[in-house]
Formats: sequence, structure tokens, C-alpha cells
Amino acid sequence: GIQVEQSPPDLILQEGANSTLRCNFSDSVNNLQWFHQNPWGQLINLFYIPSGTKQNGRLSATTVATERYSLLYISSSQTTDSGVYFCAVERSNNDMRFGAGTRLTVKP
Amino acid sequence: DAGITQSPRYKITETGRQVTLMCHQTWSHSYMFWYRQDLGHGLRLIYYSAAADITDKGEVPDGYVVSRSKTENFPLTLESATRSQTSVYFCASSEGAGGLLDTQYFGPGTRLTVL
Repeated sequence: GIQVEQSPPDLILQEGANSTLRCNFSDSVNNLQWFHQNPWGQLINLFYIPSGTKQNGRLSATTVATERYSLLYISSSQTTDSGVYFCAVERSNNDMRFGAGTRLTVKP
Repeated sequence: DAGITQSPRYKITETGRQVTLMCHQTWSHSYMFWYRQDLGHGLRLIYYSAAADITDKGEVPDGYVVSRSKTENFPLTLESATRSQTSVYFCASSEGAGGLLDTQYFGPGTRLTVL
């Protein structure tokens, strides 16, 4: 199946800092999504972004499908941004895989 | 209550026992999913369903059985639980118009321990 690699695995920031999370995938995909899992385990969709760029407040994401990567940008980070960020990809044959995640800790 | 719920939230069972995890959604979403999450891993898809009476295998279906007789319910059964099935299980639903990764809404999870 398709391989999904996220980097870095862990990231520690001071509140107010910016960060970039990366998701690489090994084959062409039809869909890509970013998720956030908060420290209590709740999973929430962030972006449905098979290509292009989207922004939602302090968060934005860019997917370059031809080069098989996606980036999630977090600006002016807050403690509430802490948690694990996952990317997931879907191929045309309904093969869907998640990356192992980036664990973000934002310190006050 | 509107949304997606899972029950039980916590379950301890013994090897060899049958266990059923329940998932209920109130949005009439077409698609429903079951995932497992293990330490150090992202989510892995067990089974999904595109509609009532239609189910398909995901990445890790072995040892699990699903059914979907009603749109709103998607139970997951471990027919003979093994220790390797100790995990946190998440149910999700979506409208599915954008494929499997159309915006998914997740339940709170069920933490299952198999002794």
C-alpha cells in the first residue's frame, strides 16, 4: 500500500511561534486530509486538501500533488494547538492510509 | 443528542470472548468507518460502509466483523478477542461525496483492553 511519512515526529514550541508540518506520500493520491487529535483524544478534521492551498484562521495547508507532499502551517501557535496532527491520503482504489502523526507541544 | 456516539467508552475483556462495539450517528451520513489507533501509529482503517447493507474491508480487517442494517448504526464485533486487538477504536461518519476522505466526523473512541 501507499506509504505516508510525517515529519517531524515531535515538535515543541513556545506560544506565539510558527511551525510547518510535512506529509510525504509515496504514490499519487486522489484525496488528502489533515486532522488534529487533541490531548483528550478527540479527532477533528482540519483541511480536506487534495491539491492547492487553503487557509482557516491561523492554520493553512498546501498540497503539491505532483511532488507528493503536503504542508500544514500553524502561525502564532497557542497552547490549544497542542496535540497530534495526522495527514491521511486516499488513492483511487479506496486505499486510505494515515501517517504516524506529528506530536506538537506548545508551551506557555 | 445529535452527533456520533460510541459505546461502551471503556471495555475490558478476556482473550477468546466476543465483544461488540457500538456506533450511532444522527446525521444520516451515508458513510461510516471503524478505525483502530495504537501507540505510535496513526489510525488504521478496519472496515467502512458506504450505505446500509454495504460494507468493505480496510487496511486491517482480520479478526473483525461489521454489519450495517440501519443507516445510523455500524457495530464492530471482535468474534474471538486477542491481546493484539487491545487498542482505541474510533468510529466516524461522513457524507462521502468527496470520497473516503470527505470530511469525517469522529466519535469519542472506545478504549478496549483484552487480557
